[in-house]
Amino acid sequence: SYVLTQPPSVSVAPRQTAKITCGGNDIGGKSVHWYQQKPGQAPVVVVYDDSDRPSGIPERFSGSNSGNTATLTITRVEAGDEADYYCQVWDTTLDDRVFGGGTKLTVL
Amino acid sequence: QVQLQESGPRLVRPSETLSLTCAVSGGSVISDNWWTWVRQPPGKGLEWIGEIFHAGGTTYNPSLKSRVTISLDKSQNHVSLNLSSVTAADTSIYFCARGTYRKDFYFDLWGQGTLITVSS
Repeated sequence: SYVLTQPPSVSVAPRQTAKITCGGNDIGGKSVHWYQQKPGQAPVVVVYDDSDRPSGIPERFSGSNSGNTATLTITRVEAGDEADYYCQVWDTTLDDRVFGGGTKLTVL
Repeated sequence: QVQLQESGPRLVRPSETLSLTCAVSGGSVISDNWWTWVRQPPGKGLEWIGEIFHAGGTTYNPSLKSRVTISLDKSQNHVSLNLSSVTAADTSIYFCARGTYRKDFYFDLWGQGTLITVSS
């Protein structure tokens, strides 16, 4: 099965930039989606199709995808961005929608 | 606006079948969307279970495929999940979600989720 690898945790100071990576074999050839999940809540998509942003999501959230790594970038981080973030792709080989293990973003 | 609400028994005995319903309000299950189930063991990550399209297509997680059935009731406007032969490992928060297509399918709307415990 296709494996997506995320760092378990990322820490960043307020107003700085956070980068959360998602590694996978030739992930650059897939569309990557990113979800934010705050404690006790359902996930919310923050970036879809590598770099598109749903309406209502701040421009501070952006995504990129190339080679074996996709990256979610959050600029000017705020306390309210503290959450778990998951990447997700469609593994066409097995017809399986795969999630990364998740990254806990801590705002110092 | 469209909302999703999961419901079903919160406690299931081992070896029995877990049955959940996702009610779709403010919209129709007969739309250009896939209707999806995702679960999350307490304190752990997300796992896709499977999905259905109103024209009848279903796709399941290969690791769960032998135990999962997802169906759609157009008259009731809801989506159902059945997971058979459950064990404690199936204890999770179960979410229903809507899959929307742009360049690929992503989950743009989620229910609040419901915690299902498997225990005798």
